[in-house]
Amino acid sequence: DAKTTQPPSMDCAEGRAANLPCNHSTISGNEYVYWYRQIHSQGPQYIIHGLKNNETNEMASLIITEDRKSSTLILPHATLRDTAVYYCIVRVRNQGGKLIFGQGTELSVKP
Amino acid sequence: GAVVSQHPSWVICKSGTSVKIECRSLDFQATTMFWYRQFPKQSLMLMATSNEGSKATYEQGVEKDKFLINHASLTLSTLTVTSAHPEDSSFYICSARDRGVNTEAFFGQGTRLTVV
Repeated sequence: DAKTTQPPSMDCAEGRAANLPCNHSTISGNEYVYWYRQIHSQGPQYIIHGLKNNETNEMASLIITEDRKSSTLILPHATLRDTAVYYCIVRVRNQGGKLIFGQGTELSVKP
Repeated sequence: GAVVSQHPSWVICKSGTSVKIECRSLDFQATTMFWYRQFPKQSLMLMATSNEGSKATYEQGVEKDKFLINHASLTLSTLTVTSAHPEDSSFYICSARDRGVNTEAFFGQGTRLTVV
């Protein structure tokens, strides 16, 4: 599975959009981009995933560049409860495969 | 999303004893479950992949005789930490993948193990 690079930490003001970047320059054609988050002392929570088209759900939006070498997770209106470590993972879907976690981005939402 | 439940949420045990952690998929069947370990301020580290009805596959550097994994049914996998030592103190997390159409992995709430 391709490796990802994320900034170690970011701050965001409550109510503003949080934009979390991820670089995955070695991604291959059949690898998806997944985002999970982990709130302190809990198990990770699935957020969203995509292949090449932008995706949106009730939690977030995922913007993937045309060359697929990077992506951005957008939390449109961040709340204090969104404070967590956000992990960007790339993997091939439908292979029953394991998720390999990098260091992630620690997002702090401040009042 | 699907629910994965771990038990216990936390446990304290004495050095040299064994501890069993359960991971259950509550509303779906999981042919594959994964066990992770997480030390403070670090990311999750995959320990092993648990397949229903067969032996687990361990990641490099993980002692299979120390971390016993059993996946006897489609809804239950167990991790037993044998002869626990203080350095085994960690946050253990399982995840399960629905064998149906939805292939996203869902995670348990984690188990905090403290060995004294």
